[in-house]
Amino acid sequence: GENVEQHPSTLSVQEGDSAVIKCTYSDSASNYFPWYKQELGKRPQLIIDIRSNVGEKKDQRIAVTLNKTAKHFSLHITETQPEDSAVYFCAARAGTASKLTFGTGTRLQVTL
Amino acid sequence: DGGITQSPKYLFRKEGQNVTLSCEQNLNHDAMYWYRQDPGQGLRLIYYSQIVNDFQKGDIAEGYSVSREKKESFPLTVTSAQKNPTAFYLCASQYTGELFFGEGSRLTVL
Repeated sequence: GENVEQHPSTLSVQEGDSAVIKCTYSDSASNYFPWYKQELGKRPQLIIDIRSNVGEKKDQRIAVTLNKTAKHFSLHITETQPEDSAVYFCAARAGTASKLTFGTGTRLQVTL
Repeated sequence: DGGITQSPKYLFRKEGQNVTLSCEQNLNHDAMYWYRQDPGQGLRLIYYSQIVNDFQKGDIAEGYSVSREKKESFPLTVTSAQKNPTAFYLCASQYTGELFFGEGSRLTVL
């Protein structure tokens, strides 16, 4: 089955700096890669996703890149703000009928 | 107000007791999922259901059971066979790839 590894497990950045979270996956058939954000005490929510037919996708301060050859994808957050502090999960899935496999999460702390 | 509703939010159980966690959705989504969340281990899939009256085991199904008799409902039973049931449980439904999560149920076994 699919295995998703996520690094780092914790990340601390100063407000205004950039943050990068990296994930690798094992199943070459995976073609959908979402990122979820979970604020303290709240439910995970989708913040951005990418499909295998594109290499990069941006949404304001958030971007995701995908390297299918190397089987890794990354989340980039620019100009970080305190409200970006949360746990971020990457995930991968092969086909719409397959289950979503999550990484172990990255706790991002943005300090003033 | 549409969404995923989980209950109860907090639950305490004695060892040896079964407990059922409720998950209801009014989003008309076909697929529903149960995940377990432990510190440092991310979200691990327990069971999932792509359609009514059908469900599949996830990665950590041992000690759990589910049913999917109605599209709106996907209850999870944590049985006494689950060796380490204390955890945060998240239910989700899926539409066009995106998962919509409930607020979770925190189960503590005393």
